Amino acid sequence: QVQLQESGPGVVKPSETLSLTCSVSGVSINRTRYYWGWIRQSPGKGLEWIGSIYYSGSTYYNPSLKSRVSISVDTSKNRVSLKLDSVTAADTAAYHCARHELRYFDQWGQGTLVTVSS
Amino acid sequence: SYVLTQPPSLSLAPGQTARITCGGSNIVSKSVHWYQQMPGQAPAMVVYDDRDRPSGIPERFSGTNSGNTATLTISRVEAGDEADYYCQVWDSSSDRWVFGGGTKLTVL
Repeated sequence: QVQLQESGPGVVKPSETLSLTCSVSGVSINRTRYYWGWIRQSPGKGLEWIGSIYYSGSTYYNPSLKSRVSISVDTSKNRVSLKLDSVTAADTAAYHCARHELRYFDQWGQGTLVTVSS
Repeated sequence: SYVLTQPPSLSLAPGQTARITCGGSNIVSKSVHWYQQMPGQAPAMVVYDDRDRPSGIPERFSGTNSGNTATLTISRVEAGDEADYYCQVWDSSSDRWVFGGGTKLTVL
């Protein structure tokens, strides 16, 4: 049974870096054909794809966030990490990690709420 | 960039048929996937590759894709179907995964 669990600080100050981790169990993140993505949802809003990383290490980012985003994997701990620089109040959202094949997202974490506030 | 357009809301009485649309340029050329999100929960896929259902999803959920519009149809809606529904595609021209704005389904 595949499970994804996001973790990280619930509050980040403006202009600082948001750092989140997605711990994966039930499957190796090294497994071929899978991507590992981050999706966020601002309060009362829709889903926004942030970026994804392929098992090979190739990364793909939403152009609207590309200059501030970095996604990486730690295969020894079976974790995927997200860093978002220079955050503002507009980055306040629930952040979900998800596994996906090329086309669709088949496993999701519950998400973690991050509030940007001084 | 590729854009998906959904109606913000849809309200129906129990037993009626819900048709949630997802508009995009020549969307028929892409595979469309649909997710259901209950309040406070993670999204869960209800239809993938235009019309296929994951294991455990009732036959009441079905999908079509034609021209510039994909449609998620929920037959005989129930109170338990009340949720937000999102369409999603992979835009191969830009290697981006795109979501629609979501449709809030209310069962009166």
